[in-house]
Amino acid sequence: DAKTTQPPSMDCAEGRAANLPCNHSTISGNEYVYWYRQIHSQGPQYIIHGLKNNETNEMASLIITEDRKSSTLILPHATLRDTAVYYCIVRVGTASKLTFGTGTRLQVTL
Amino acid sequence: EADIYQTPRYLVIGTGKKITLECSQTMGHDKMYWYQQDPGMELHLIHYSYGVNSTEKGDLSSESTVSRIRTEHFPLTLESARPSHTSQYLCASSEHRGGYGYTFGSGTRLTVV
Repeated sequence: DAKTTQPPSMDCAEGRAANLPCNHSTISGNEYVYWYRQIHSQGPQYIIHGLKNNETNEMASLIITEDRKSSTLILPHATLRDTAVYYCIVRVGTASKLTFGTGTRLQVTL
Repeated sequence: EADIYQTPRYLVIGTGKKITLECSQTMGHDKMYWYQQDPGMELHLIHYSYGVNSTEKGDLSSESTVSRIRTEHFPLTLESARPSHTSQYLCASSEHRGGYGYTFGSGTRLTVV
């Protein structure tokens, strides 16, 4: 599996967009990018995933660079409830066993 | 509304006791997983199952065992609890292969004294 690199922590003001970067320079052609988040000590929550095209759903947008070596998760209007650890994971689409790294701790402030 | 249920939510138990952590899902998912997470630390996969009568050990070695007799049920058992087993245990299920759409339970926070 391709290794991912995320900043350990980020701050964002409430109401502003939160842009969480992820580097995955060794990603291979059949590997997807997945994003999950974990609020406090609850179970992680699936956010979004993509292969090469940008993706958007009701929670967030995922922007993947053309060379696929990095991606950005965008929370368009962050709220205090978005404070969580965000995990960027790269996996082959047919593989199971999701492996979580250390993620980025996002703190949304007033 | 949760579709995957873990019980108990909290458990404090003495050393040497046998315990079973329950996990049930109502989504008909074939794939189920157990993760272990110490406070502020990474999640580690300890067991997984791709269907009835199929169980495998995960990336982190664990003294626990699991069974999968029914699709919806994936219990985890510790035959003799020790303080080193103190941790949070999270159960998850998924319909698809890959990393898409895992659903996690609320977890069981286990303390062995």
